[in-house]
Amino acid sequence: AQRVTQPEKLLSVFKGAPVELKCNYSYSGSPELFWYVQYSRQRLQLLLRHISRESIKGFTADLNKGETSFHLKKPFAQEEDSAMYYCALSVNSGYSTLTFGKGTMLLVSP
Amino acid sequence: NAGVTQTPKFQVLKTGQSMTLQCAQDMNHNSMYWYRQDPGMGLRLIYYSASEGTTDKGEVPNGYNVSRLNKREFSLRLESAAPSQTSVYFCAVRDKALRGYTFGSGTRLTVV
Repeated sequence: AQRVTQPEKLLSVFKGAPVELKCNYSYSGSPELFWYVQYSRQRLQLLLRHISRESIKGFTADLNKGETSFHLKKPFAQEEDSAMYYCALSVNSGYSTLTFGKGTMLLVSP
Repeated sequence: NAGVTQTPKFQVLKTGQSMTLQCAQDMNHNSMYWYRQDPGMGLRLIYYSASEGTTDKGEVPNGYNVSRLNKREFSLRLESAAPSQTSVYFCAVRDKALRGYTFGSGTRLTVV
């Protein structure tokens, strides 16, 4: 079974500092990896997916199959980045479901 | 274009009461999902429906039932609510255009 691990429950940084939210996964095949963001008491919003290789709100994430990681990075954190971030994995095998990590709360202080 | 709509947004139940959480989508997608979100646990899959007329158990199905009424609607029922079911419940659909999943705004359920 697939699993997603986010080792940090809380990451606290100052405005302007670099940010890296860690995500590791376990799955023997080729998964789809996503990052979702949830601002206070709101719905989850798709931030990034590894296939698109986009940069959204300054965030990037690269899939490293050798290390089975999909870390989320931003060079300069902003206060509005404060939110809960979830890494998630989707496996397509006739149907698909999304498996989430437990999430990392990012707090950006002024 | 609402995407995924959940009702109600908030609910307080007494232990043993029953209720149904509703989810409707206007995105014309086949796959729909119910997740629960608990502090420190992330989101866990309760049930999903790959297509109209089919449902399957997820990671934490005990105490819940679901109905895929038609392509648009996927409901989650608690037959006899327990305090352990206090949670925020999210419905989601598989959004093939984004190749991601679109979530509803959630139902915050408290069982006392």
